[in-house]
Amino acid sequence: DSGVTQTPKHLITATGQRVTLRCSPRSGDLSVYWYQQSLDQGLQFLIQYYNGEERAKGNILERFSAQQFPDLHSELNLSSLELGDSALYFCASNKQGSGNTIYFGEGSWLTVV
Amino acid sequence: GENVEQHPSTLSVQEGDSAVIKCTYSDSASNYFPWYKQELGKRPQLIIDIRSNVGEKKDQRIAVTLNKTAKHFSLHITETQPEDSAVYFCAASGFGAGSYQLTFGKGTKLSVIP
Repeated sequence: DSGVTQTPKHLITATGQRVTLRCSPRSGDLSVYWYQQSLDQGLQFLIQYYNGEERAKGNILERFSAQQFPDLHSELNLSSLELGDSALYFCASNKQGSGNTIYFGEGSWLTVV
Repeated sequence: GENVEQHPSTLSVQEGDSAVIKCTYSDSASNYFPWYKQELGKRPQLIIDIRSNVGEKKDQRIAVTLNKTAKHFSLHITETQPEDSAVYFCAASGFGAGSYQLTFGKGTKLSVIP
């Protein structure tokens, strides 16, 4: 158990819909990262938050957005869903946000039908 | 930003043999290089890491080497066992999009044949 908690574990939704994925970082970690992993694909960095502020943005679509709340949990919002958005979405966290190990949650499986 | 290339994409070895996975990175300022193991449907888990002030690090059957001049690093697994079968990802911590962050290679699927 990495200490990073993600919900829901599995989600099936229809095209055009909107979903929210939730992440609670490890106790004491200020930085949260979101990654997308499609079938047989690598880990694509989406976005990073540090202590409530957006720190870095990767290949995140405009239909996707995220935020980190004062209690440091984070949410990833995916809207106008397409079939190609079906993937495993990982949240990860670490303390300082740079040059340190990140710890992954178990992921949220999203299936768009 | 940082770019990480990982080879090979698939690797099959006999149980007991060694396995080597290689990665190159582009940003000479990168200073942290972790390796993650991901079993099917599970989260990536850190197995070993190395910082740029060290050339080699070992932990039982696994070792990582780093050549800063050539900008490449490698994972070595000796005496492979069936439970080593997984996808392995290398990563480099470089500066991009306003922050230091990990950029991952595309992964190597290792199969250990009993």
